[in-house]
Amino acid sequence: GAVVSQHPSRVICKSGTSVKIECRSLDFQATTMFWYRQFPKQSLMLMATSNEGSKATYEQGVEKDKFLINHASLTLSTLTVTSAHPEDSSFYICSASRFGDALAKNIQYFGAGTRLSVL
Amino acid sequence: EDQVTQSPEALRLQEGESSSLNCSYTVSGLRGLFWYRQDPGKGPEFLFTLYSAGEEKEKERLKATLTKKESFLHITAPKPEDSATYLCAVPFYGNNRLAFGKGNQVVVIP
Repeated sequence: GAVVSQHPSRVICKSGTSVKIECRSLDFQATTMFWYRQFPKQSLMLMATSNEGSKATYEQGVEKDKFLINHASLTLSTLTVTSAHPEDSSFYICSASRFGDALAKNIQYFGAGTRLSVL
Repeated sequence: EDQVTQSPEALRLQEGESSSLNCSYTVSGLRGLFWYRQDPGKGPEFLFTLYSAGEEKEKERLKATLTKKESFLHITAPKPEDSATYLCAVPFYGNNRLAFGKGNQVVVIP
C-alpha cells in the first residue's frame, strides 16, 4: 500500500499563534508532496507543491509567508500556518506521489487531513 | 473555466439501486483521470486511475470507464457503506498537479 500519515488530526489555537502540520509517507519515498485546503461542501483547492530539497511552488493567491512549507526529506513535509487568524480555519490535507514509480505516475495518496480551528 | 465538472452534485439511492456518476473534463493531452472516495472529515482514498479512452477498471461494486471527453463511475447494487463523496481529478497539462471536480455526494439508504 501507500500510506500517508498526517498529524495532528485536529488543532484548536488562539488567534496570532502558529501551527505546524506534518505529513509523512510511511512506506514509500515521495517525489512530491502537495498541500490542499478544503472548505465545507467544497472540493480540494491546491495550495502548494513541495519537492524535496527545493522551495515550494505556491498557487496563485496563496500567501507564501502565511503558509510556510518545508520538505526536508523524501518522507516528510510540513506546513506551518503562521500568525493564524479565524479565516484560516479550514480542513488541510496533504498528499504524496511515489518516487520512481512509472506505473503509478501522478497518483497522489492522501493523508487523513487536519481540522484547524482558530479562535 | 472549470477543467473538471462532476454531475450530479448529490445523489440519493436505495440500497441495490444501481447508478452512474459523471466526470467531464476539458484538459488537452490527458495524462490520466483519477477517481477518489472521500468520507466526511477524512482525506480522499485512491480508487482508480484511467489513462486511455476505452479503459475500464473495477473494484467491488464500482466500475470506472473513460472516453475522450468524460469518465463514468458506475455503482452496481450499492450498499450503505458506499455512501461517500466521489471525487474526479485530472493532471494539469505539463505537470503533476491535480485539478479536482466538486465531487458527487452519494447517499445510499438501507
